[in-house]
Amino acid sequence: GESVGLHLPTLSVQEGDNSIINCAYSNSASDYFIWYKQESGKGPQFIIDIRSNMDKRQGQRVTVLLNKTVKHLSLQIAATQPGDSAVYFCAELHNAGNMLTFGGGTRLMVKP
Amino acid sequence: KAGVTQTPRYLIKTRGQQVTLSCSPISGHRSVSWYQQTPGQGLQFLFEYFSETQRNKGNFPGRFSGRQFSNSRSEMNVSTLELGDSALYLCASSFGVTPGANVLTFGAGSRLTVL
Repeated sequence: GESVGLHLPTLSVQEGDNSIINCAYSNSASDYFIWYKQESGKGPQFIIDIRSNMDKRQGQRVTVLLNKTVKHLSLQIAATQPGDSAVYFCAELHNAGNMLTFGGGTRLMVKP
Repeated sequence: KAGVTQTPRYLIKTRGQQVTLSCSPISGHRSVSWYQQTPGQGLQFLFEYFSETQRNKGNFPGRFSGRQFSNSRSEMNVSTLELGDSALYLCASSFGVTPGANVLTFGAGSRLTVL
């Protein structure tokens, strides 16, 4: 498949385990954060978002945690499945527009 | 409903040529953004259009330009292509009425190879 990053950090987990993907963001003024999943040959797909006035948000099998003190964002995936294998990007958005600043991405590999 | 459609999906050009990429947003979406994705630089914002006006612009040279039509469809153009322009060009659309308040939906991208 097409490579979205030749030197991405990789997280390898066993099917059924929980996964935690971390991201450090740069702008303390960012007020909206999004996690995207990108599979080979596809564009990024929205997973979950969180506003800066929150520190946790849960979705289906996914949880995003925001620590504004250290400018850190994490994505937790419960009971990881082979279909979760992809590259995951965090993105931050300033309220000045729809301009997203993306992190470098993490490749998640799920072993059956 | 149909997603964001980008054409062409793949294209090959030579240095010095120019290229035009097209993006049809989700019906009802008025904001269209363009991003460049490369292995070395990752995902980088090019520009955003809303109601036919460029609302935001990233840090790319003037060779990169875009426009949006009254039906919200957008095109981007790259002139005088360089080898480093080889990339996946992604289009994303959103309602965009309140900046930052809408989720961007991405297309599958147009993969440009410059030889």
